[in-house]
Amino acid sequence: SAVISQKPSRDICQRGTSLTIQCQVDSQVTMMFWYRQQPGQSLTLIATANQGSEATYESGFVIDKFPISRPNLTFSTLTVSNMSPEDSSIYLCSVEDLRTVSGANVLTFGAGSRLTVL
Amino acid sequence: RKEVEQDPGPFNVPEGATVAFNCTYSNSASQSFFWYRQDCRKEPKLLMSVYSSGNEDGRFTAQLNRASQYISLLIRDSKLSDSATYLCVVRGGGSYIPTFGRGTSLIVHP
Repeated sequence: SAVISQKPSRDICQRGTSLTIQCQVDSQVTMMFWYRQQPGQSLTLIATANQGSEATYESGFVIDKFPISRPNLTFSTLTVSNMSPEDSSIYLCSVEDLRTVSGANVLTFGAGSRLTVL
Repeated sequence: RKEVEQDPGPFNVPEGATVAFNCTYSNSASQSFFWYRQDCRKEPKLLMSVYSSGNEDGRFTAQLNRASQYISLLIRDSKLSDSATYLCVVRGGGSYIPTFGRGTSLIVHP
């Protein structure tokens, strides 16, 4: 399965600043996803990062707040802009793996970026 | 009604116990089903896919009931290392986006 390197693993930031999270994959993948997981909650999809076009955002998430770049098939960034304490969360990137044994597309996740906004 | 619902638990069981989790989904057109495991402060990792006929992987058995729209995960002979949160994931039914349940927390104690 794909190996994902995500950084930073954690950061503590001041209100009003921005943080960019990077996700590097060891193989070319068509679809990359960015999720948020707030304490005690499940994963919420922020957006799908598309190579060569704008990201597709889910309801409740907008490009001005969470700009995403996808310059090639192995790399993507998510920026959390103008942060507030409510943005404190774990942010995870994910790619789709085709598991040849089962034939099912499954998700592989990066280790996550734990963000605390003061 | 949430798309994917799970009992959050926690399920607190002794070593060696058998424990079962259920997960219900609202979209009857869903096509793919998975169980993921998430350890504390770690990313989710695939535990097993769920097939229509049911499937087993060692101590873990997954089943799908399309008529009642639920999937289940059975863990036999629980180990301390099974302590984690188990996430139900459903996909398909008009969207390629997987939908995650909130997860069920399992604590296995000595």
